[in-house]
Amino acid sequence: EDQVTQSPEALRLQEGESSSLNCSYTVSGLRGLFWYRQDPGKGPEFLFTLYSAGEEKEKERLKATLTKKESFLHITAPKPEDSATYLCAVQEWGAQKLVFGQGTRLTINP
Amino acid sequence: NAGVTQTPKFQVLKTGQSMTLQCAQDMNHNSMYWYRQDPGMGLRLIYYSASEGTTDKGEVPNGYNVSRLNKREFSLRLESAAPSQTSVYFCASSGLQGGQPQHFGDGTRLSIL
Repeated sequence: EDQVTQSPEALRLQEGESSSLNCSYTVSGLRGLFWYRQDPGKGPEFLFTLYSAGEEKEKERLKATLTKKESFLHITAPKPEDSATYLCAVQEWGAQKLVFGQGTRLTINP
Repeated sequence: NAGVTQTPKFQVLKTGQSMTLQCAQDMNHNSMYWYRQDPGMGLRLIYYSASEGTTDKGEVPNGYNVSRLNKREFSLRLESAAPSQTSVYFCASSGLQGGQPQHFGDGTRLSIL
């Protein structure tokens, strides 16, 4: 059974303090790994898709990387507006559904 | 820039009552999805529709029915609500082949007493 585990559950950083969020996954054959951002009271917002080990994607202060067992979301010099819950999901080849992790709640203090 | 619109935003029901959650998208996407989100659990797929006229069960379909009314609209119905269905429900759409939801609505917060 596909599984996705995100760590830590919550992370509090000072503005400008870089860090990484982890997404460990177990899947028979990975079609894609997806990162979403979710603000309180809102639906998830799509950030990145990663398809194969070694792939990297960047958007502003965020960079997502992928290995055969996990993905990292690196946050460089974060700002308070980066505060949100970050969700990771995987999709297996041949499956329609995505399996989501529980998310990491990130708080950036000014 | 409406994207995916869900109605209602909040609803309180009594056990055994029925209701329909509405979802509409204006991006001409083929695929639409219904997810539920519960504390301590990831988003779970209830039903999806890969194209107009087709619907399929997801991970947790029991107690729900769906209708893909046309390309724009995908509704979720609770025939006899149960407290276990208290959750936040999200509708999503995708224009991509293969199932990754691209755009989510802002959710319907449903409480079953």
